[in-house]
Amino acid sequence: SYVLTQPPSVSVAPGKTARITCGENNIGSESVHWYQQRPGQAPVLVIFNDSDRPSGIPERFSGSNSGNTATLIISRVEAGDEADYYCQVWDSGSDHRGVFGTGTKVTVL
Amino acid sequence: EVQLVETGGGLIQPGGSLRLSCAASGFTVSTNYMAWVRQAPGKGLECVSLFYAGGSTYYADSVKGRFTISRDNSENMLHLQMNSLRAEDTAMYYCARLKGGSYRRYFDYWGQGTLVAVSS
Repeated sequence: SYVLTQPPSVSVAPGKTARITCGENNIGSESVHWYQQRPGQAPVLVIFNDSDRPSGIPERFSGSNSGNTATLIISRVEAGDEADYYCQVWDSGSDHRGVFGTGTKVTVL
Repeated sequence: EVQLVETGGGLIQPGGSLRLSCAASGFTVSTNYMAWVRQAPGKGLECVSLFYAGGSTYYADSVKGRFTISRDNSENMLHLQMNSLRAEDTAMYYCARLKGGSYRRYFDYWGQGTLVAVSS
């Protein structure tokens, strides 16, 4: 069973780079997906399969995944990036299901 | 354009029942994996039920035996029948579509959510 650990909060100045981690033993062998959830809104997929971007997601959003840590990277951070971010993997064990990380609140200073 | 619209939430007493519905457009529910994901106030995301394209289903332990997921192919809709509701079921419930291969599925489209509040 997966337990995806994220830092509760990350603070970043506008124009800088935010890095949000998602930790689990050997997560590098899984595909990791990332969602942005702005206050009062539904989640939005921003990265899938570790580093692919859905259409309409800015190139400022990127991802990496290796070893025990997956990372969502937001470059040139803007005020509109302030949101909660969740990582997710697919547990294809006995129960095929989606497993979400604990979530990270990104604050733009 | 893919759209998901949830309805059916509301205030319900403990032990009561609600039926959530999700109207899909822009794609066919019966040929996709579909999910209900909930979010308790101030908390994270929890995948509570899945309807696989082949017809099998999944339930989180927290709702097993109380919730039933179903789909109406003629109406292109997904439903969640929730019985024996508890205070801890209070949450925003999102309908979502799943994409991706067998070992790398992800939720590519989400509805706006419907709020369920269980309280006396």
